[in-house]
Amino acid sequence: SQTIHQWPATLVQPVGSPLSLECTVEGTSNPNLYWYRQAAGRGLQLLFYSVGIGQISSEVPQNLSASRPQDRQFILSSKKLLLSDSGFYLCAWSDLGSPSGNTIYFGEGSWLTVV
Amino acid sequence: AQKITQTQPGMFVQEKEAVTLDCTYDTSDPSYGLFWYKQPSSGEMIFLIYQGSYDQQNATEGRYSLNFQKARKSANLVISASQLGDSAMYFCAMREGHGNDYKLSFGAGTTVTVRA
Repeated sequence: SQTIHQWPATLVQPVGSPLSLECTVEGTSNPNLYWYRQAAGRGLQLLFYSVGIGQISSEVPQNLSASRPQDRQFILSSKKLLLSDSGFYLCAWSDLGSPSGNTIYFGEGSWLTVV
Repeated sequence: AQKITQTQPGMFVQEKEAVTLDCTYDTSDPSYGLFWYKQPSSGEMIFLIYQGSYDQQNATEGRYSLNFQKARKSANLVISASQLGDSAMYFCAMREGHGNDYKLSFGAGTTVTVRA
C-alpha cells in the first residue's frame, strides 16, 4: 500500500534562517506531489506541485522554493525565513495510474514557527 | 475568485444526529472532482469521500454521503449518526486540471463540534 511521510513534524526557526522540509512517498511510482500551507484556523493554500522529477509549478510568489530530486521525494526550502512563513505545511500525493487515481492523500504535516 | 465556498464557519450537532455541511463551487470545466476531507486537532487531512462530475449517483462512504446537485453547483456533505470522534474541521475541495496535471483547491472549512 502507498504511504507518505514528511518531516520534521515540528520546527521552530529564527527569522532569516534556512528551511528544509522533506516528503517521501512509498508504494507508487511517478506520483503527482504537492506542498500546501495552512495558516492557523484557515483553509489550505497550494504552494507547489510537481508532475515529475525536476518539474515544479509554483502557485503563488513567495519566499519558498520546491525541488523534486527523485521520483518520490519532494522538498520545500527557503534560504531566509520570514515571520509570515509560519504555518502548517502539508505534503500530498496522487497517482492517476492507481485505483485511487482521483484522490489526493496527505502526509502528517509539519508545524513551522518562525520566531 | 473563490472557487470553493463553505459558508458555515462552525456548527454544533448532538451525538447520534445527522449534520449537513454546505459546499458550493465554481468552475466552467465540464470535468471536475469534488472531495471532502476531515482535519482533526492533530492536523492530518483525512480523505472522506469523492464525487466525479460525471457520476450519476451521489457518493456514499459509510456514514458519509455527498449530496451532489450539479445544476446548483453544490456538493454538501451529510454525516449521519454523529459520533464524538466526528468533531473536527471539514474541508470541501475541487480538483482542477486535465490529464496528469491537476490540483485541489480548498474551501475555508467548517468546524463541527459534536455534543454528548
